[in-house]
Amino acid sequence: DIQMTQSPSTLSASVGDRVTITCRASQPISTWLAWYQLKPGKAPKLLIYKTSSLQSGVSSRFSGSGSGTEFTLTISSLQPDDSASYFCQQYNTYPLTFGGGTRVEIK
Amino acid sequence: QVELQQWGAGLLKPSETLSLSCSVSGGSLTGYSWGWVRQPPGTGLEWIGEVNHSGGANYNPSLKGRVSISIDTSKSQFSLNLNSVTAADTALYYCTRGGGIYYYDNWGQGTLVTVSS
Repeated sequence: DIQMTQSPSTLSASVGDRVTITCRASQPISTWLAWYQLKPGKAPKLLIYKTSSLQSGVSSRFSGSGSGTEFTLTISSLQPDDSASYFCQQYNTYPLTFGGGTRVEIK
Repeated sequence: QVELQQWGAGLLKPSETLSLSCSVSGGSLTGYSWGWVRQPPGTGLEWIGEVNHSGGANYNPSLKGRVSISIDTSKSQFSLNLNSVTAADTALYYCTRGGGIYYYDNWGQGTLVTVSS
């Protein structure tokens, strides 16, 4: 299985800050990577697919980059509504695997 | 706008079978895969498996043959069965829409399943 390692596991930042989350794959996955936002009691939300493609309806404050084994999700200007957990997912190979998650808190 | 509405028993005893269903509205089942993902308390997401509109399925080997996902296109719904559950199967279970080896662009609201004697 491809292991996905996210860092940090938790981050605390202020409104307006630029925030970056990293996801590393245990083997190359080309650009077959997605990012999701999870909030308690709500359906998870796809943010980014194919590393850098923004899902329809998602704020342009979210962006993704990377290839091979290292990827990042960036929130350009953190907003209160961004308080959530974020997960990466590789879809290069079965079984599909997710990162351990990053909890983003607002200071 | 595709919506996934899921339901099923939320409390099971060890060795019982977990059964969840997910209804799809606002879109066709054809051309997509329909899957299940779970999140145990305090941990990350785990892919369980998925089925395509023709009934072909892929499963996570970690579930060691305990899992079965089926689809009923006439009812626009798909189902998850996980047998011989243990406390380790306690999790928030989500149904999802994907496209084979793909990302998931639609998710259900989640069903908390607790396994306890």
